Amino acid sequence: GENVEQHPSTLSVQEGDSAVIKCTYSDSASNYFPWYKQELGKRPQLIIDIRSNVGEKKDQRIAVTLNKTAKHFSLHITETQPEDSAVYFCAASAGGSYIPTFGRGTSLIVHP
Amino acid sequence: DVKVTQSSRYLVKRTGEKVFLECVQDMDHENMFWYRQDPGLGLRLIYFSYDVKMKEKGDIPEGYSVSREKKERFSLILESASTNQTSMYLCASSSGTFTPEQYFGPGTRLTVT
Repeated sequence: GENVEQHPSTLSVQEGDSAVIKCTYSDSASNYFPWYKQELGKRPQLIIDIRSNVGEKKDQRIAVTLNKTAKHFSLHITETQPEDSAVYFCAASAGGSYIPTFGRGTSLIVHP
Repeated sequence: DVKVTQSSRYLVKRTGEKVFLECVQDMDHENMFWYRQDPGLGLRLIYFSYDVKMKEKGDIPEGYSVSREKKERFSLILESASTNQTSMYLCASSSGTFTPEQYFGPGTRLTVT
């Protein structure tokens, strides 16, 4: 089955800095890559996703890039703010089932 | 707005008890999922269901069973709770293959003593 590795497990940045979280996947058939954000004590929520026919996608301060050849994808957050502090999960799913395999999560801490 | 609710936010049970966790979604979603969330281990899939009365094992089904008698309701059952099942349990739903976003419930923090 699919295996998703996520790094780093913890990321500490100063407000205004950029943050990058990286994930690799093992199944070359994977074609959908969502990112979820989970604030402390809250449920995970989708913040951005990308499909395998696209190399990059942006939404305001967040962007996701996908390298299918290397089987890795990354989340980029620019101009970080304290409210970006949360656990971020990447995921990958294959074929038409969209049953995701999640990474272990990255705890992002943004210091004011 | 999609709403996914879970029957309890916190639950304390004793070893050997039968435990029911219930999840209800109000958006007519076909797919429903049960995850277990533990620090450092991410979200691990226990079971999922893509239709009423249909179920599929996920990555960690041992010690769990599920029931989906109605489209909007998906139950997770711990037949005989053990201390290593102490965890946060998250339910999720999604509408199908073309709109794969998962909507999560608030979670149930289960403690087995």
